[in-house]
Amino acid sequence: DIQMTQSPSSLPASLGDRVTITCRASQDIGNYLRWFQQKPGKSPRLMIYGATNLAAGVPSRFSGSRSGSDYSLTISSLESEDMADYYCLQSKESPLYTFGAGTKLELK
Amino acid sequence: QIQLVQSGPELKKPGESVKISCKASGYTFTDYAMHWVKQAPGKGLKWMGWINTYTGKPTYADDFKGRFVFSLEASASTANLQISNLKNEDTATYFCAKRGFAYWGQGTLVTVSS
Repeated sequence: DIQMTQSPSSLPASLGDRVTITCRASQDIGNYLRWFQQKPGKSPRLMIYGATNLAAGVPSRFSGSRSGSDYSLTISSLESEDMADYYCLQSKESPLYTFGAGTKLELK
Repeated sequence: QIQLVQSGPELKKPGESVKISCKASGYTFTDYAMHWVKQAPGKGLKWMGWINTYTGKPTYADDFKGRFVFSLEASASTANLQISNLKNEDTATYFCAKRGFAYWGQGTLVTVSS
């Protein structure tokens, strides 16, 4: 089974900061990687698909990138509404998918 | 517009069963698979599996084989999740999500307590 190692688990940051969250895949997953944002009491929201593609309606300060088996979600300038939990999801090993453990993005 | 509307919260005792529904609208139900995701209180997301809404064939993640059943009422554009022999650790919010994960239900909280 493919494992997704997500880091950090917690990320204190200040408004305006550039922040990066990373998921490392235990096997090749190509670009079969999505990123989600989840706020308390809400359903997850798709942010990035295909590792680098911005989902509809997502602000342009969000971006996704890949370097080998490392996948990153970057927020170029943190805004208060970005404080949330973030998760990656691999869908290469279809039909078996795997979420990362999550990153809690919070105000420093 | 595309919507997934799930059934309401459930309070069950250990050993009982529960059935959660996810009613889809705004698209052709049988064209897109439906995924199920578990989130225990204060914990992360866990992919449970998916159901082919055209054939009805389910696929389960290893941790959800046995007591968990995905089913369809295709004529009602509804996907169901049934959990039998409930355990305390089944206490969680369960989400349905349309293939592609751009659309999610609002979640259904299942509480298992004696």
